[in-house]
Amino acid sequence: DTAVSQTPKYLVTQMGNDKSIKCEQNLGHDTMYWYKQDSKKFLKIMFSYNNKELIINETVPNRFSPKSPDKAHLNLHINSLELGDSAVYFCASSPRLAGGLYNEQFFGPGTRLTVL
Amino acid sequence: AQKVTQAQTEISVVEKEDVTLDCVYETRDTTYYLFWYKQPPSGELVFLIRRNSFDEQNEISGRYSWNFQKSTSSFNFTITASQVVDSAVYFCALSEADGGATNKLIFGSGTLLAVQP
Repeated sequence: DTAVSQTPKYLVTQMGNDKSIKCEQNLGHDTMYWYKQDSKKFLKIMFSYNNKELIINETVPNRFSPKSPDKAHLNLHINSLELGDSAVYFCASSPRLAGGLYNEQFFGPGTRLTVL
Repeated sequence: AQKVTQAQTEISVVEKEDVTLDCVYETRDTTYYLFWYKQPPSGELVFLIRRNSFDEQNEISGRYSWNFQKSTSSFNFTITASQVVDSAVYFCALSEADGGATNKLIFGSGTLLAVQP
Protein backbone atom coordinates (compact mmCIF):
# COMPACT_ATOMS: atom_id res chain seq x y z
CA ASP A 1 0.00 0.00 0.00
CA THR A 2 3.01 2.28 -0.36
CA ALA A 3 1.98 5.66 -1.74
CA VAL A 4 5.21 6.55 -3.56
CA SER A 5 7.64 3.73 -4.16
CA GLN A 6 11.11 3.69 -5.66
CA THR A 7 13.32 0.88 -6.84
CA PRO A 8 16.00 0.09 -6.09
CA LYS A 9 16.56 1.40 -2.58
CA TYR A 10 20.33 1.07 -2.94
CA LEU A 11 22.39 1.17 -6.09
CA VAL A 12 26.15 0.71 -6.20
CA THR A 13 27.85 0.95 -9.56
CA GLN A 14 31.06 1.85 -11.34
CA MET A 15 31.89 5.11 -13.03
CA GLY A 16 30.84 5.18 -16.64
CA ASN A 17 27.92 2.79 -16.24
CA ASP A 18 24.31 3.57 -17.13
CA LYS A 19 21.61 2.99 -14.53
CA SER A 20 17.91 3.61 -13.99
CA ILE A 21 15.78 4.35 -10.96
CA LYS A 22 12.06 3.69 -11.08
CA CYS A 23 9.29 5.53 -9.30
CA GLU A 24 5.62 4.74 -9.02
CA GLN A 25 2.81 6.45 -7.16
CA ASN A 26 -0.63 5.03 -6.46
CA LEU A 27 -2.14 8.27 -5.17
CA GLY A 28 -3.69 9.30 -8.45
CA HIS A 29 -1.58 12.47 -8.53
CA ASP A 30 -0.95 14.37 -11.75
CA THR A 31 2.50 15.67 -10.94
CA MET A 32 5.73 13.86 -10.18
CA TYR A 33 9.22 15.08 -9.32
CA TRP A 34 12.81 14.02 -8.93
CA TYR A 35 14.97 15.60 -6.24
CA LYS A 36 18.63 15.03 -5.44
CA GLN A 37 19.98 15.07 -1.89
CA ASP A 38 23.74 15.42 -1.73
CA SER A 39 26.13 14.29 0.96
CA LYS A 40 25.51 17.47 2.94
CA LYS A 41 21.78 16.72 2.97
CA PHE A 42 21.00 19.57 0.60
CA LEU A 43 17.83 18.86 -1.42
CA LYS A 44 17.39 20.26 -4.90
CA ILE A 45 14.78 19.67 -7.53
CA MET A 46 15.88 18.09 -10.78
CA PHE A 47 12.74 17.50 -12.84
CA SER A 48 9.00 17.76 -12.71
CA TYR A 49 6.38 16.12 -14.88
CA ASN A 50 2.70 16.84 -15.12
CA ASN A 51 0.54 14.25 -16.86
CA LYS A 52 3.61 12.82 -18.62
CA GLU A 53 4.77 16.25 -19.79
CA LEU A 54 8.11 17.68 -18.68
CA ILE A 55 7.50 20.94 -16.85
CA ILE A 56 10.70 21.64 -14.91
CA ASN A 57 14.26 20.83 -15.87
CA GLU A 58 16.61 22.49 -13.43
CA THR A 59 19.75 22.67 -15.58
CA VAL A 60 20.52 19.06 -14.92
CA PRO A 61 23.26 17.54 -17.12
CA ASN A 62 21.79 15.79 -20.13
CA ARG A 63 23.26 12.52 -18.87
CA PHE A 64 20.10 12.50 -16.75
CA SER A 65 16.97 11.65 -18.68
CA PRO A 66 13.59 11.32 -17.00
CA LYS A 67 10.86 9.32 -18.64
CA SER A 68 7.19 9.21 -17.74
CA PRO A 69 5.35 6.37 -19.49
CA ASP A 70 2.13 7.32 -17.69
CA LYS A 71 1.19 9.73 -14.96
CA ALA A 72 1.75 7.12 -12.24
CA HIS A 73 5.36 6.47 -13.19
CA LEU A 74 8.45 8.64 -13.48
CA ASN A 75 11.75 6.92 -14.11
CA LEU A 76 15.22 8.43 -14.04
CA HIS A 77 17.92 7.14 -16.36
CA ILE A 78 21.51 8.21 -15.85
CA ASN A 79 24.18 7.70 -18.49
CA SER A 80 27.93 7.63 -17.98
CA LEU A 81 27.74 7.84 -14.22
CA GLU A 82 30.27 10.07 -12.46
CA LEU A 83 31.53 10.13 -8.88
CA GLY A 84 29.61 13.35 -8.28
CA ASP A 85 26.33 11.61 -9.06
CA SER A 86 26.56 9.78 -5.75
CA ALA A 87 23.57 11.00 -3.75
CA VAL A 88 20.13 10.05 -2.57
CA TYR A 89 17.49 10.53 -5.23
CA PHE A 90 13.94 11.15 -4.11
CA CYS A 91 10.84 10.82 -6.18
CA ALA A 92 7.76 12.78 -5.14
CA SER A 93 4.23 13.36 -6.30
CA SER A 94 1.55 15.92 -5.62
CA PRO A 95 -2.04 16.53 -6.53
CA ARG A 96 -3.10 19.75 -8.12
CA LEU A 97 -5.86 21.69 -6.49
CA ALA A 98 -8.44 23.59 -8.48
CA GLY A 99 -7.43 27.04 -9.65
CA GLY A 100 -3.78 26.18 -9.99
CA LEU A 101 -3.24 26.11 -6.27
CA TYR A 102 -0.70 23.87 -4.77
CA ASN A 103 -0.57 21.00 -2.35
CA GLU A 104 2.19 19.24 -0.47
CA GLN A 105 4.49 16.78 -2.15
CA PHE A 106 4.62 13.19 -0.98
CA PHE A 107 8.05 11.67 -1.15
CA GLY A 108 9.24 8.17 -1.88
CA PRO A 109 11.76 6.44 0.41
CA GLY A 110 14.74 7.50 -1.68
CA THR A 111 17.36 5.63 -3.69
CA ARG A 112 20.92 5.83 -2.43
CA LEU A 113 23.22 5.82 -5.45
CA THR A 114 26.92 5.18 -4.89
CA VAL A 115 29.28 5.56 -7.80
CA LEU A 116 32.70 3.97 -7.30
CA ALA B 1 15.07 34.90 -6.25
CA GLN B 2 13.61 32.33 -3.93
CA LYS B 3 15.72 31.32 -1.00
CA VAL B 4 15.26 29.55 2.31
CA THR B 5 17.73 29.95 5.13
CA GLN B 6 17.98 27.67 8.14
CA ALA B 7 20.82 29.23 10.05
CA GLN B 8 20.95 26.54 12.72
CA THR B 9 22.97 23.65 11.37
CA GLU B 10 22.72 21.49 14.47
CA ILE B 11 20.84 21.75 17.73
CA SER B 12 21.26 19.46 20.69
CA VAL B 13 18.76 19.42 23.55
CA VAL B 14 17.93 17.18 26.45
CA GLU B 15 14.62 15.38 26.47
CA LYS B 16 11.64 17.47 27.65
CA GLU B 17 13.27 20.74 26.66
CA ASP B 18 11.47 22.99 24.21
CA VAL B 19 13.30 23.78 21.00
CA THR B 20 12.67 26.23 18.15
CA LEU B 21 13.95 25.71 14.65
CA ASP B 22 14.33 28.89 12.66
CA CYS B 23 13.43 29.42 9.02
CA VAL B 24 13.77 32.63 7.04
CA TYR B 25 12.67 32.84 3.44
CA GLU B 26 12.99 35.21 0.48
CA THR B 27 10.53 35.56 -2.35
CA ARG B 28 9.22 38.30 -4.59
CA ASP B 29 5.81 36.73 -4.95
CA THR B 30 2.82 37.68 -2.89
CA THR B 31 1.38 34.18 -3.11
CA TYR B 32 3.55 31.38 -1.89
CA TYR B 33 3.56 28.30 0.29
CA LEU B 34 5.80 27.29 3.14
CA PHE B 35 6.42 23.76 4.35
CA TRP B 36 8.24 21.82 7.01
CA TYR B 37 9.47 18.29 6.40
CA LYS B 38 11.11 15.87 8.82
CA GLN B 39 13.85 13.44 7.79
CA PRO B 40 14.48 10.88 10.54
CA PRO B 41 17.63 8.73 10.55
CA SER B 42 15.81 6.15 8.41
CA GLY B 43 15.98 8.67 5.58
CA GLU B 44 12.42 9.20 4.39
CA LEU B 45 10.94 12.69 4.09
CA VAL B 46 7.84 13.20 6.17
CA PHE B 47 5.51 16.11 5.51
CA LEU B 48 4.66 18.10 8.64
CA ILE B 49 2.83 21.26 7.62
CA ARG B 50 1.88 23.54 4.73
CA ARG B 51 1.05 27.20 5.15
CA ASN B 52 0.02 29.63 2.45
CA SER B 53 1.08 33.26 2.43
CA PHE B 54 -2.39 34.55 3.17
CA ASP B 55 -2.77 32.60 6.35
CA GLU B 56 -0.64 34.00 9.13
CA GLN B 57 -2.40 32.16 11.89
CA ASN B 58 -0.09 30.16 14.05
CA GLU B 59 -0.76 26.45 14.14
CA ILE B 60 -0.45 23.89 16.87
CA SER B 61 -0.48 20.15 16.40
CA GLY B 62 0.20 18.26 19.59
CA ARG B 63 3.72 19.13 20.71
CA TYR B 64 4.45 20.91 17.43
CA SER B 65 3.68 24.54 16.73
CA TRP B 66 4.50 26.90 13.91
CA ASN B 67 4.89 30.68 13.97
CA PHE B 68 4.50 32.37 10.58
CA GLN B 69 5.43 36.06 10.46
CA LYS B 70 5.35 37.76 7.08
CA SER B 71 6.83 40.95 8.52
CA THR B 72 10.09 39.13 9.22
CA SER B 73 9.74 36.49 6.47
CA SER B 74 10.02 33.76 9.03
CA PHE B 75 8.28 30.45 9.57
CA ASN B 76 9.65 29.00 12.78
CA PHE B 77 8.91 25.59 14.20
CA THR B 78 8.76 24.80 17.90
CA ILE B 79 8.76 21.39 19.50
CA THR B 80 7.51 21.41 23.06
CA ALA B 81 8.75 18.82 25.54
CA SER B 82 11.07 17.23 23.00
CA GLN B 83 11.47 13.48 22.84
CA VAL B 84 14.23 11.25 21.53
CA VAL B 85 11.98 10.29 18.60
CA ASP B 86 12.08 13.92 17.48
CA SER B 87 15.75 13.49 16.56
CA ALA B 88 15.92 14.14 12.83
CA VAL B 89 16.87 16.65 10.19
CA TYR B 90 14.13 19.21 9.71
CA PHE B 91 13.74 21.04 6.42
CA CYS B 92 11.87 24.23 5.75
CA ALA B 93 10.79 24.72 2.13
CA LEU B 94 9.18 27.37 -0.05
CA SER B 95 7.11 27.15 -3.20
CA GLU B 96 5.69 29.97 -5.25
CA ALA B 97 2.17 29.60 -6.60
CA ASP B 98 2.59 30.61 -10.22
CA GLY B 99 -0.68 29.02 -11.23
CA GLY B 100 1.18 26.60 -13.41
CA ALA B 101 0.82 22.87 -13.61
CA THR B 102 3.51 22.16 -11.13
CA ASN B 103 5.56 23.80 -8.42
CA LYS B 104 9.04 23.10 -7.18
CA LEU B 105 10.08 23.10 -3.57
CA ILE B 106 13.05 25.24 -2.61
CA PHE B 107 14.54 23.68 0.49
CA GLY B 108 16.62 25.16 3.24
CA SER B 109 19.81 23.39 4.21
CA GLY B 110 18.14 21.63 7.12
CA THR B 111 18.63 21.63 10.87
CA LEU B 112 19.83 18.49 12.58
CA LEU B 113 18.05 18.14 15.89
CA ALA B 114 19.53 15.72 18.40
CA VAL B 115 17.44 15.02 21.47
CA GLN B 116 19.45 13.38 24.23
CA PRO B 117 17.74 11.12 26.78
